[in-house]
Amino acid sequence: GQQLNQSPQSMFIQEGEDVSMNCTSSSIFNTWLWYKQDPGEGPVLLIALYKAGELTSNGRLTAQFGITRKDSFLNISASIPSDVGIYFCAVSGGGSEKLVFGKGMKLTVNP
Amino acid sequence: DAGVIQSPRHEVTEMGQEVTLRCKPISGHDYLFWYRQTMMRGLELLIYFNNNVPIDDSGMPEDRFSAKMPNASFSTLKIQPSEPRDSAVYFCASRPYSRFYTEAFFGQGTRLTVV
Repeated sequence: GQQLNQSPQSMFIQEGEDVSMNCTSSSIFNTWLWYKQDPGEGPVLLIALYKAGELTSNGRLTAQFGITRKDSFLNISASIPSDVGIYFCAVSGGGSEKLVFGKGMKLTVNP
Repeated sequence: DAGVIQSPRHEVTEMGQEVTLRCKPISGHDYLFWYRQTMMRGLELLIYFNNNVPIDDSGMPEDRFSAKMPNASFSTLKIQPSEPRDSAVYFCASRPYSRFYTEAFFGQGTRLTVV
């Protein structure tokens, strides 16, 4: 089945630091999405990317859809304690309507 | 809209018992997805529906798992008989039809513990 490689699996950073994470795939996809999951909650959409090469920002978050359509990255600038959680990449396309998720990246922010 | 609503939030059951998880999607959404989350395997898609019809159930682990969507506002995921390895958080998600936009909205999940 479709597999996404998400890295790193976890990060421990100090408040105020920037953090970067990425996802890669062996297949081409039309849509890349980034979700965040807070403890005890369901994933919530952060950013959606629909065009190869697209660079999108949402506050302190910036994400890019790779030119090859096989990868994406998410950056968080000036981290704050409420950024803690699990960040997932997800893809859709390749003839399917379903969303496939990466394994997630657990972020810990030390105050 | 209140968002995707799942019940119960927590379920503890004994091995061998039947478990039924419930989901109410966002009104007007055409697609409904059931996911399972574990530490080992992350978020796995179990099955999804389009306009109440099951489209892809290739992620359903075994015949012990079944899902139904009798109408546009309700879906169930049933495990019979349950086993300890079924312990996980089960999420329901929904999204409207769109040619371009595919983001899904998740419920808060049901944490299932089978002892």
